[in-house]
Amino acid sequence: DGGITQSPKYLFRKEGQNVTLSCEQNLNHDAMYWYRQDPGQGLRLIYYSQIVNDFQKGDIAEGYSVSREKKESFPLTVTSAQKNPTAFYLCASMSGNGVLYGYTFGSGTRLTVV
Amino acid sequence: SQQGEEDPQALSIQEGENATMNCSYKTSINNLQWYRQNSGRGLVHLILIRSNEREKHSGRLRVTLDTSKKSSSLLITASRAADTASYFCATEASGSRLTFGEGTQLTVNP
Repeated sequence: DGGITQSPKYLFRKEGQNVTLSCEQNLNHDAMYWYRQDPGQGLRLIYYSQIVNDFQKGDIAEGYSVSREKKESFPLTVTSAQKNPTAFYLCASMSGNGVLYGYTFGSGTRLTVV
Repeated sequence: SQQGEEDPQALSIQEGENATMNCSYKTSINNLQWYRQNSGRGLVHLILIRSNEREKHSGRLRVTLDTSKKSSSLLITASRAADTASYFCATEASGSRLTFGEGTQLTVNP
């Protein structure tokens, strides 16, 4: 079945550590996105990529980094520069016909700083 | 910055009743989309309405769009307990980026 896989489901980070969240899709979608969701709030865009080897900052990119070396993969690194990283992270993708079908989301990674 | 704002923030109804959620936005858009999120899960795309459309139906869902008022509504008819979730509107203005509102938490009581 086609879809987006995010791993791990739960992740614990110590202060000062970098951690990487995985996002893989087998939908052959061109565009991929990372969103952050805080409790009781909407989604805020961190980074997005519309094509391999290219990505753009979203609204809250500080303290995060991404890469897009393969069409299927769009990992997100939460660096130690991100002061409040505890949140629910969602990855999404969209085909070239996304205007018709919307985004497809993964099931999320819950990151907690301990 | 958040473009969409949902109203109400929370809604509690009985099974079989209709649920209406509203969304307002600030700038011109290409389309507006509604998503559903069950607790602790990813979002699921429900319906998309383009800026030149005024109303769209999908099963028990009805979406309206008023571009002059920069607002949209989502109506769920004959609600079921399984409809309990958070519902988000999202607007696409340009560049395939979606901007999400803060959502409406719908509770349908059996």
